[in-house]
Amino acid sequence: DAGVIQSPRHEVTEMGQEVTLRCKPISGHDYLFWYRQTMMRGLELLIYFNNNVPIDDSGMPEDRFSAKMPNASFSTLKIQPSEPRDSAVYFCASSPSTGNGYTFGSGTRLTVV
Amino acid sequence: AQSVTQLDSHVSVSEGTPVLLRCNYSSSYSPSLFWYVQHPNKGLQLLLKYTSAATLVKGINGFEAEFKKSETSFHLTKPSAHMSDAAEYFCVVSEYGRDDKIIFGKGTRLHILP
Repeated sequence: DAGVIQSPRHEVTEMGQEVTLRCKPISGHDYLFWYRQTMMRGLELLIYFNNNVPIDDSGMPEDRFSAKMPNASFSTLKIQPSEPRDSAVYFCASSPSTGNGYTFGSGTRLTVV
Repeated sequence: AQSVTQLDSHVSVSEGTPVLLRCNYSSSYSPSLFWYVQHPNKGLQLLLKYTSAATLVKGINGFEAEFKKSETSFHLTKPSAHMSDAAEYFCVVSEYGRDDKIIFGKGTRLHILP
């Protein structure tokens, strides 16, 4: 298995533009999580899905952020419009719901200028 | 409610000396405990996990951790540090069997001195 795959690895965009981050979880994993990591706030859980259904989005910072999981093999995190304070590394993780921990993707480093 | 506290934000050790990264947790339920490692500009990698089996858990790269219920601790150790161990380490607690109830510590950055 190739692990959790995120794209792009790096994204630089101008303030006000729409940004879409993508994640392909490990096949067979029931849970998918989106995290954001910054120096100031550390790791923050944004949203997670169970069997493609959003379960808890209380960590999504504001309405500019949205996430979808149209099928078991794909999820997106969208920011529209983007702002400089959204600059961070965004991680996707998946797990097989056995309590054995997550597998993380390599992350997308987002820079909004 | 669950929580996890990593007692040191930074730890510095000399190469070849032992490593100790401290973690305390609280959990209303039987916990699962994990350590993750994040090397610079990389994702997080699972180092080891405790899920109610043996209390001494061995992980990758020579690391191990001991679950001590009486002390509510899950400290990470390694007998001899290597330069490649320089990274950030996260202690994580979850309710046993529940991947959706997971709490990350704030991380400990390990520095290895030559």
